[in-house]
Amino acid sequence: GAVVSQHPSWVICKSGTSVKIECRSLDFQATTMFWYRQFPKQSLMLMATSNEGSKATYEQGVEKDKFLINHASLTLSTLTVTSAHPEDSSFYICSAREATGISNYGYTFGSGTRLTVV
Amino acid sequence: DAKTTQPNSMESNEEEPVHLPCNHSTISGTDYIHWYRQLPSQGPEYVIHGLTSNVNNRMASLAIAEDRKSSTLILHRATLRDAAVYYCILRDDYGQNFVFGPGTRLSVLP
Repeated sequence: GAVVSQHPSWVICKSGTSVKIECRSLDFQATTMFWYRQFPKQSLMLMATSNEGSKATYEQGVEKDKFLINHASLTLSTLTVTSAHPEDSSFYICSAREATGISNYGYTFGSGTRLTVV
Repeated sequence: DAKTTQPNSMESNEEEPVHLPCNHSTISGTDYIHWYRQLPSQGPEYVIHGLTSNVNNRMASLAIAEDRKSSTLILHRATLRDAAVYYCILRDDYGQNFVFGPGTRLSVLP
């Protein structure tokens, strides 16, 4: 089945630094990828929708200048958390939909990235 | 997308069947019913989905009420590895993202 690889699985960074998270579709092409954030004991919250070759669409309340998303190819989307602060510590998850897939089928999710800002 | 309502938590004994309910009284005719589960510290995993008819796969069965206002995910024999948060999500064929509710936290007791 479709596989989405997310890297790194966990990262610790100092406050004020930037962190890049990669999301790759390994065996399919993904025109659309989604980035979610999940705080402890809470559900997933959509941050942005990333379309290959165009600007990402951000959900209300998500700062586009802080969470930079790049979807330069059909198999790779990246999320960069710029000038990270402790409140950005969270579990970040990406998901992807196959370009030629039937839309009513599910999306494939990455295994998530645990970000801790100290 | 229409909303779903699930119990916050459920418990099951190992090797017994588990029925996870989901209410979606405002479901539209084009909404598919999707179930995902999330194991601790992992991304969500696809379980099953359906539109009107009951569905079976190697992981679970999905029973959909005739009026489609509710559905039940059935795990035929729960194992310790089935302990997870189970999400019931509605999405139409043209929908983009999945909107996750709180889900049901399933605990499996040995």
